[in-house]
Amino acid sequence: AQTVTQSQPEMSVQEAETVTLSCTYDTSESDYYLFWYKQPPSRQMILVIRQEAYKQQNATENRFSVNFQKAAKSFSLKISDSQLGDAAMYFCAYRSIIGNEKLTFGTGTRLTIIP
Amino acid sequence: DTAVSQTPKYLVTQMGNDKSIKCEQNLGHDTMYWYKQDSKKFLKIMFSYNNKELIINETVPNRFSPKSPDKAHLNLHINSLELGDSAVYFCASSPSLPTEAFFGQGTRLTVV
Repeated sequence: AQTVTQSQPEMSVQEAETVTLSCTYDTSESDYYLFWYKQPPSRQMILVIRQEAYKQQNATENRFSVNFQKAAKSFSLKISDSQLGDAAMYFCAYRSIIGNEKLTFGTGTRLTIIP
Repeated sequence: DTAVSQTPKYLVTQMGNDKSIKCEQNLGHDTMYWYKQDSKKFLKIMFSYNNKELIINETVPNRFSPKSPDKAHLNLHINSLELGDSAVYFCASSPSLPTEAFFGQGTRLTVV
């Protein structure tokens, strides 16, 4: 079974600075999807970024980018120019390419933005 | 238009009661899920349905029974509620292609 580990329960960053959230995973599959979701205090789960394992290029969405290291099974999220609205729980998630498979989540990292 | 909607958003009930949470998606997705988020924010899959058929049932007590009348709806019925059932329950949907899941806004269930 796949597992996802987020080793940082809490992180904080000064507004406008850059922060990196860590995620590692364990799988025997060669192809899969990885995601970062954001959960602000509103409770809504919001997709931040998606990475297909077969793609070597790291995904980028505006201020959010990932460092995907397939051999190391590492998938970190970098947030540049942090904003107050980035304060949230961030969850890393894994999904097999086999259809209908569930998302497996990490335990989350609570990100605080310091004004 | 809300893509995945759950009702109610909040539910407070006494131990022993039976309650239902409804979920509807208008994205045309084939697969729907129920996830439970506990007090430590951990998200765990409970059930997955594909085109009204149960695909995943992750060691959930029999008191929890999902019902999918059609592929756009997946309801969760809970019998004999216990204190430990207090959590946030999320409905989600995804297309058959394994991309991301889209989540509802969650239902905070409090059992007193």
